[in-house]
Amino acid sequence: EPEVTQTPSHQVTQMGQEVILRCVPISNHLYFYWYRQILGQKVEFLVSFYNNEISEKSEIFDDQFSVERPDGSNFTLKIRSTKLEDSAMYFCASDRQGGVAFFGQGTRLTVV
Amino acid sequence: AQKVTQAQTEISVVEKEDVTLDCVYETRDTTYYLFWYKQPPSGELVFLIRRNSFDEQNEISGRYSWNFQKSTSSFNFTITASQVVDSAVYFCALSEVNSGGSNYKLTFGKGTLLTVNP
Repeated sequence: EPEVTQTPSHQVTQMGQEVILRCVPISNHLYFYWYRQILGQKVEFLVSFYNNEISEKSEIFDDQFSVERPDGSNFTLKIRSTKLEDSAMYFCASDRQGGVAFFGQGTRLTVV
Repeated sequence: AQKVTQAQTEISVVEKEDVTLDCVYETRDTTYYLFWYKQPPSGELVFLIRRNSFDEQNEISGRYSWNFQKSTSSFNFTITASQVVDSAVYFCALSEVNSGGSNYKLTFGKGTLLTVNP
């Protein structure tokens, strides 16, 4: 069964460093998303991507964040200069036709 | 703005009990989707069900059932004869369609931690 794959599963980085979180969505899906879940809290929307551009971003998704779909299969989230409060689980999701979002297993980002 | 409220933060039951997880939502749209996701201790988000706003028919899938009532803006989830493996955080979520259909972002509730004890 096709699934969304995220790498790495866990990343530890120093404050101020850049990180890139990688996702391989399900191959025939058209909508792509990043969500964030701070430990013990709810899942929050960060950004949606459709037709090779951002379709919506939340207030959390400031200038430190960017997304790319560099080669038609990968979907990346970059945080330019990480802060302690960026520590969270980051989920990638994809959706074929605006129906059901299937989530990856998440990347746990720890900023020290 | 859309909002999802899961008033029950934690529920603890004994195996084989039935349990209902509540979800109340707010939206100004007439077309929307409602979802339940399960997050087991391993952390992934597992899709359980989607309902669209035009379909109020209740649904049953094995031990799981869902009750959607537009009149009360509720989408409750019942697990019958609960099992230890049902222990997880359960999230209710709402999806609206933005103009042009380019985005179906999910708004999640805070989740309900269900613990099923043997």
